[in-house]
Amino acid sequence: AQSVTQPDIHITVSEGASLELRCNYSYGATPYLFWYVQSPGQGLQLLLKYFSGDTLVQGIKGFEAEFKRSQSSFNLRKPSVHWSDAAEYFCAVGSNSGYALNFGKGTSLLVTP
Amino acid sequence: GAGVSQSPSNKVTEKGKDVELRCDPISGHTALYWYRQSLGQGLEFLIYFQGNSAPDKSGLPSDRFSAERTGGSVSTLTIQRTQQEDSAVYLCASSSQPAANYNEQFFGPGTRLTVL
Repeated sequence: AQSVTQPDIHITVSEGASLELRCNYSYGATPYLFWYVQSPGQGLQLLLKYFSGDTLVQGIKGFEAEFKRSQSSFNLRKPSVHWSDAAEYFCAVGSNSGYALNFGKGTSLLVTP
Repeated sequence: GAGVSQSPSNKVTEKGKDVELRCDPISGHTALYWYRQSLGQGLEFLIYFQGNSAPDKSGLPSDRFSAERTGGSVSTLTIQRTQQEDSAVYLCASSSQPAANYNEQFFGPGTRLTVL
């Protein structure tokens, strides 16, 4: 069964600094990979997704993620964070043999002035 | 357009009581999902509905949990004889295509359930 690990529970970055959130997955075939963001009191919003093709995926709000099969990783990046990026970030994996997504436990991002 | 809506946004109940949580999916979306988000645990799949087909209940944690979807639209998640470990945020999502999780799931804001 597929699974997702987000090694960092909390991350703090300064506004304007770069950001990388880590995600490792476990799945035999090419997975479907997603990053969602959850702001306080809000539902989850899709940032970006990867199914195939170009391993560097662009998403909304200036985020990007790179699929690295050799490392089983799908790390999320942003070159310059804004205070409004403070939120909980979830990596998720799906497969073509099911329909429910498997989510990581999330990484909480704090942005300091 | 309107997104996925859930009600109530917050629910506080006493141990042993039954609760009902409601989800209104995006109009026209045939697939509907319930997830549970416990503190520090990420999201846990509970149940999946696709059109008029029998739901996939494989994620329900116990027989105290049940869900129905009327008319292929609104869904209600019912928890009977609530326990303190049921305290969590219950999230509903819908998608426009069936049984294919490469399709984006649109999430509602959730219902925060607290069992005292």
